[in-house]
Amino acid sequence: KNQVEQSPQSLIILEGKNCTLQCNYTVSPFSNLRWYKQDTGRGPVSLTIMTFSENTKSNGRYTATLDADTKQSSLHITASQLSDSASYICVVSDSGGYNKLIFGAGTRLAVHP
Amino acid sequence: DAGVIQSPRHEVTEMGQEVTLRCKPISGHNSLFWYRQTMMRGLELLIYFNNNVPIDDSGMPEDRFSAKMPNASFSTLKIQPSEPRDSAVYFCASILGQNEAFFGQGTRLTVV
Repeated sequence: KNQVEQSPQSLIILEGKNCTLQCNYTVSPFSNLRWYKQDTGRGPVSLTIMTFSENTKSNGRYTATLDADTKQSSLHITASQLSDSASYICVVSDSGGYNKLIFGAGTRLAVHP
Repeated sequence: DAGVIQSPRHEVTEMGQEVTLRCKPISGHNSLFWYRQTMMRGLELLIYFNNNVPIDDSGMPEDRFSAKMPNASFSTLKIQPSEPRDSAVYFCASILGQNEAFFGQGTRLTVV
């Protein structure tokens, strides 16, 4: 069964600190992996998209890594800001031809001053 | 482009009533997804369309749920009759190929 699992479920950090969120997947055949940020009350917004051949991609203070062999990804947030408080969702797309997106449950991050 | 547009933003209805949620995808996108989000279950894929054709509706919870995409610029998700357990935020997303998926702002449905 195609699944995407994220850890931790929730995380609290102090402003200015770094953190790393994890994503493991069993989706096959694999097409790409995406990280989304979802602010409370809003729709998810894309942070990064990585294909099989990419193992790291950055978007400002966000850096995503992908190990397609172990089927693991991480999202590293550097020098966290209060505005980083949100849910971070790992999404894997299969390559079955119709771009089916399979969502993880998300990690809820709270950045405190 | 104004992005994916969903309406209404909020809907409160009584149990047993019919509810219709609407979505206008980004022009030129060829896939459209309907999701439901709750605190307990996170984001769940209900159904997705490719070139206006329903591809996978295995996530539709019951026969009370139905979705249509009569053309490339419009889709509806209908619940009839609605039940309190249908209360959730319903998102629509559109995508072109393997590119970034764009989500609407969601419709917050409350069934009392």
